[in-house]
Amino acid sequence: QKEVEQNSGPLSVPEGAIASLNCTYSDRGSQSFFWYRQYSGKSPELIMSIYSNGDKEDGRFTAQLNKASQYVSLLIRDSQPSDSATYLCAGRGGSQGNLIFGKGTKLSVKP
Amino acid sequence: EPEVTQTPSHQVTQMGQEVILRCVPISNHLYFYWYRQILGQKVEFLVSFYNNEISEKSEIFDDQFSVERPDGSNFTLKIRSTKLEDSAMYFCAATTGGEVQPQHFGDGTRLSIL
Repeated sequence: QKEVEQNSGPLSVPEGAIASLNCTYSDRGSQSFFWYRQYSGKSPELIMSIYSNGDKEDGRFTAQLNKASQYVSLLIRDSQPSDSATYLCAGRGGSQGNLIFGKGTKLSVKP
Repeated sequence: EPEVTQTPSHQVTQMGQEVILRCVPISNHLYFYWYRQILGQKVEFLVSFYNNEISEKSEIFDDQFSVERPDGSNFTLKIRSTKLEDSAMYFCAATTGGEVQPQHFGDGTRLSIL
């Protein structure tokens, strides 16, 4: 059974701080990973994708992938109250690219 | 313009009735997916669709579910005889294809079975 595991939180950080979100996956064959943000009652919104070991930066967001440890993380710098949401980690699960999602980590950024 | 448009946004149906959920991706998308999310739970894969046929499906996607793309644009999910446990958000997603291409999600349809 291919699985993606996340700490469900909630994770609370003060405004301006760095938020660190983590994810592990079971399938060593997975090659690509995605972070989605989901506001309550809304659909997942893509934030970052990462396919290679190492770091990938996009604005305030940095994704990190360590395939040897089967670990993916997302750092949010200068966290804002508008970043308060549930962050979903997903990996490719099947030959046709379907995603396997973690349960999500709820982030709360306090003003 | 959104990548994927879903209708209706909310569907309320009596148990045992059939429902059809619709999705319209933009024209360069080749791979299509349905996912569902029961309230408070994780997003779960249902089915993938490519080249006018199902390419992969999960254990959830049993005989009461079907998908089709009848006119080359709309992509539909049909639930034949709804059950209470089918109440969930249903998301359509699409991608241009390839291992590294991200999937873009529609806004979802909230299905409520009474």
